[in-house]
Amino acid sequence: GENVEQHPSTLSVQEGDSAVIKCTYSDSASNYFPWYKQELGKRPQLIIDIRSNVGEKKDQRIAVTLNKTAKHFSLHITETQPEDSAVYFCAASRGTGNQFYFGTGTSLTVIP
Amino acid sequence: SQTIHQWPATLVQPVGSPLSLECTVEGTSNPNLYWYRQAAGRGLQLLFYSVGIGQISSEVPQNLSASRPQDRQFILSSKKLLLSDSGFYLCAWTPSTREQYFGPGTRLTVT
Repeated sequence: GENVEQHPSTLSVQEGDSAVIKCTYSDSASNYFPWYKQELGKRPQLIIDIRSNVGEKKDQRIAVTLNKTAKHFSLHITETQPEDSAVYFCAASRGTGNQFYFGTGTSLTVIP
Repeated sequence: SQTIHQWPATLVQPVGSPLSLECTVEGTSNPNLYWYRQAAGRGLQLLFYSVGIGQISSEVPQNLSASRPQDRQFILSSKKLLLSDSGFYLCAWTPSTREQYFGPGTRLTVT
């Protein structure tokens, strides 16, 4: 089955700096890669996703890159703000009807 | 628009008692449904997923079971709770476009 690894497990950055979280996957058939943000005590919220037919996707301050050859994808947050502090999870899936495999999470702290 | 509901929101149960958590989705048909458990400060553990009525796939051997009696209803059950069953239980669904959306969760404490 699929194995998703996520690094780092914790990350602290100064407000305004960039944050990068990286994930690797093992199943070359995986073709959908979402990222979730989970604030304390709340449900994970989908913040951005990428499908295997593109290499990069951007939405305001967040972007995701995908390298299919190397089987890794990354989340980039620019101009970080205190409200970006949360746990971020990456995931991989083969698509509709298949399960999602989640990374172990990255706890991001943005220091004001 | 689609909405996912879970109840109860919080639950405190003694060891050995039964459990029933319910998840329903509105505004869609034939969704894929999932149950996850999240221990305090930990990641998401997939427990069960279902692609249709009566179709349940189990990912981890547990004292838990799942059922899907209706198209948009997914139930997580246990006959006898263990202390280790404490956690945040999340139901999720996936439309045909593949994104996965989570319900508000049930926080279960087994005492």
